[in-house]
Amino acid sequence: NAGVMQNPRHLVRRRGQEARLRCSPVKGHSHVYWYRQLPEEGLKFMVYLQKENIIDESGMPKERFSAEFPKEGPSILRIQQVVRGDSAAYFCASSPQSGTSYEQYFGPGTRLTVT
Amino acid sequence: KNEVEQSPQNLTAQEGEFITINCSYSVGISALHWLQQHPGGGIVSLFMLSSGKKKHGRLIATINIQEKHSSLHITASHPRDSAVYICAVRRGAQKLVFGQGTRLTINP
Repeated sequence: NAGVMQNPRHLVRRRGQEARLRCSPVKGHSHVYWYRQLPEEGLKFMVYLQKENIIDESGMPKERFSAEFPKEGPSILRIQQVVRGDSAAYFCASSPQSGTSYEQYFGPGTRLTVT
Repeated sequence: KNEVEQSPQNLTAQEGEFITINCSYSVGISALHWLQQHPGGGIVSLFMLSSGKKKHGRLIATINIQEKHSSLHITASHPRDSAVYICAVRRGAQKLVFGQGTRLTINP
């Protein structure tokens, strides 16, 4: 049973470039969450998606950040025109359904470094 | 003030000691999670609680809903338990709000 997969594990981008982070949920899971962990800070919720729908994006910065979870393929977190402050670890989690009975399973994270 | 507060922020102990990490929250929640993050940083879910107590191996988690407080205990601690332990509360159906984490170091 494969867990949540994220790639790449490490990503280096120069200021102004685009970063695309991929998350493949546990097989059969249709709910995906993205979290960000800034250096020396705690985890923060960014966005919650179901297949083809954004359910809650209250934690997403208003500009440059977008997320999708298409019918086929992984969920993508896209950061346009990256800045040094975007350097962080980005974690994806998945669950089979919504509701309080279901745990979220975390991926290994993508560490983004902006130079 | 953060919605989720953990104490202590850092904890160093000797192998074999009984460890307690505390988590207090100020909002209504539907569930509380304890997570473990090792250096180099993957996150593992240890427990999900909405009431009472859960035990898994040497780990025990308790929650008091009235007091808005949870504790994570580690019995017979071992150097491999060294990690950051994170408390997270679930607001509504899915959104998690995290504490700052407790960095635990167990010396041999």
